[in-house]
Amino acid sequence: DAGVIQSPRHEVTEMGQEVTLRCKPISGHDYLFWYRQTMMRGLELLIYFNNNVPIDDSGMPEDRFSAKMPNASFSTLKIQPSEPRDSAVYFCASRYPGRNTEAFFGQGTRLTVV
Amino acid sequence: QKEVEQDPGPLSVPEGAIVSLNCTYSNSAFQYFMWYRQYSRKGPELLMYTYSSGNKEDGRFTAQVDKSSKYISLFIRDSQPSDSATYLCAMRLRAAGNKLTFGGGTRVLVKP
Repeated sequence: DAGVIQSPRHEVTEMGQEVTLRCKPISGHDYLFWYRQTMMRGLELLIYFNNNVPIDDSGMPEDRFSAKMPNASFSTLKIQPSEPRDSAVYFCASRYPGRNTEAFFGQGTRLTVV
Repeated sequence: QKEVEQDPGPLSVPEGAIVSLNCTYSNSAFQYFMWYRQYSRKGPELLMYTYSSGNKEDGRFTAQVDKSSKYISLFIRDSQPSDSATYLCAMRLRAAGNKLTFGGGTRVLVKP
């Protein structure tokens, strides 16, 4: 398996623009997580899905952020409009169901908003 | 105060030395404890997973959990330059729970 695949790897955009980050989880994993990593705040969970349904979005910082999972093999995280403080590395992770299973992370998308 | 505290380092050691990392946490309800390794510009990868107090060994890695002190540790024996990375502790409340709370990570540099 290729692991969790994220695209793009790097994104530079201007303030006010819409940004869409993409994730393909590992096949068979029915949990999908979006994390954000910054120097100041570390790794923070933004939202997670189970069987394509959003379960907990309490970590989503503002209404400018939205996430969807239209099917088991694809998810998007959208920021509209983007702001410089959104600059961070965004990770997608997926997990197989079960009591003692852990999440596998993608390589991340490094977002810079100028 | 953060729920999980971790010294950011950097921690610099000579090759072959023992690396000692630790985290403290404030929520006594945490039950499951993990250590992730993150290389520069890569995603975190799971190293160790433990439940309850005690030790767990896997090759050169040993994880310790002391729930009474709310303190977890990771030891790396015979450290190699390839161990140079950021090490993140993480914990969650339940076996099937999904919300991982991470420490800020400790950057480790093993010098040849």
